Amino acid sequence: EVQLVESGGDLVQPGGSLRLSCAASGFTFGNYWMNWVRQTPSKGLEWVANINHNGSGRYYVDSVKGRFSISRDNDKNSLYLHLNNLRAEDTALYYCTRGAGYGDDAWGQGTLVTVSP
Amino acid sequence: DIQVTQSPSSLPASVGDRVTITCQASEDINKYLNWYQQKPGKAPKLLIYDTSKLETGVPSRFSGSRSGTYFWLTITTLQPDDFATYYCQQYDNIPYTFGRGTKLEIK
Repeated sequence: EVQLVESGGDLVQPGGSLRLSCAASGFTFGNYWMNWVRQTPSKGLEWVANINHNGSGRYYVDSVKGRFSISRDNDKNSLYLHLNNLRAEDTALYYCTRGAGYGDDAWGQGTLVTVSP
Repeated sequence: DIQVTQSPSSLPASVGDRVTITCQASEDINKYLNWYQQKPGKAPKLLIYDTSKLETGVPSRFSGSRSGTYFWLTITTLQPDDFATYYCQQYDNIPYTFGRGTKLEIK
């Protein structure tokens, strides 16, 4: 069974940092692109970043460029998102998703990031 | 960035109804439009990809279609399990963008 389990979400002050993790199991992790997608009640779903199979290609939505960094460790079947210089508008539920090449065919349960003084 | 405009935002319907949700892309995205279903407290689930291909296990009452930059999700013979929020997503160009969602509600 394909499983994605996120962790690392927390309450953090503006300007702070966090590292989100996603533990993957039930599939050959290194064969897939992986994504981070976030969701808020006000803005809905927003694709944040993705990374190719070996980590050599990384892409970001403009609003997080220069502040967030996506990475992966295929030996540990893990995906990461490093969040720096956090802003109130980064408050969201962050999902790790598997990119099947045609869509996100597996999602984790999400981890909550709250940015507040 | 490609914008995806989804309508309606809310859709009251009854079991047995046929409903249609619309998404319009701001430019040509070829066939690269996906539909997701989300239930309260759960992650989205991929229903349809490449405009009209059903993900494994998705009932055949769900279908997708396209004309130019307009895309439709149709659900025939609504079942109680179908009341959820539906999102479209363009998968043609990064950043992959989502519609704002359609909440399918019991009338």
